[in-house]
Amino acid sequence: EPEVTQTPSHQVTQMGQEVILRCVPISNHLYFYWYRQILGQKVEFLVSFYNNEISEKSEIFDDQFSVERPDGSNFTLKIRSTKLEDSAMYFCASINTIVGYTEAFFGQGTRLTVV
Amino acid sequence: AQSVTQLDSQVPVFEEAPVELRCNYSSSVSVYLFWYVQYPNQGLQLLLKYLSGSTLVKGINGFEAEFNKSQTSFHLRKPSVHISDTAEYFCAVSPRRGATNKLIFGTGTLLAVQP
Repeated sequence: EPEVTQTPSHQVTQMGQEVILRCVPISNHLYFYWYRQILGQKVEFLVSFYNNEISEKSEIFDDQFSVERPDGSNFTLKIRSTKLEDSAMYFCASINTIVGYTEAFFGQGTRLTVV
Repeated sequence: AQSVTQLDSQVPVFEEAPVELRCNYSSSVSVYLFWYVQYPNQGLQLLLKYLSGSTLVKGINGFEAEFNKSQTSFHLRKPSVHISDTAEYFCAVSPRRGATNKLIFGTGTLLAVQP
């Protein structure tokens, strides 16, 4: 069964450092997403990406965040200068179309801990 | 804008007992409705969805949910739970005519099944 894979599963970084979270979406999917969940809070939408550009982003997704699909398979989320409040579980998801409904497939998540 | 409320952060229940996990939503537009499950150290998995038609929908692992438009609710039920149902359950909505099919999640309910 196809799946979305995320690496690493857990990352610890010092405040102010840059981190890159990696995702490999399902191969024939076209739309990609990042969500995050701060411990004890709701899963929040960060950004959606289609055709090599951001299609929608939330107010959380400020200039410290960026996404790209550098090689046609990986989908990355970069945080330039991490803050303590960036500590969260980050989920990647992908779907193959937004016409009507199609199921979003999620990765297992990356737990980011900023110290 | 949309929002999802899951009032119960944790629901303890004995094995083989019935359970109901509550979900209410708010939206100015028509939405699709979902329940996702997250088992320990795993990603988000779609449990069931309401797109249209019958308001009672059945999902995997014996779960079902009922859409109630007048009460803007989508409660999840199972008549007899197993230890293996212990997991975090997330209710989510997605605008039917949204540009990106993003999901808006609730804060989650931890179902803790005890022997």
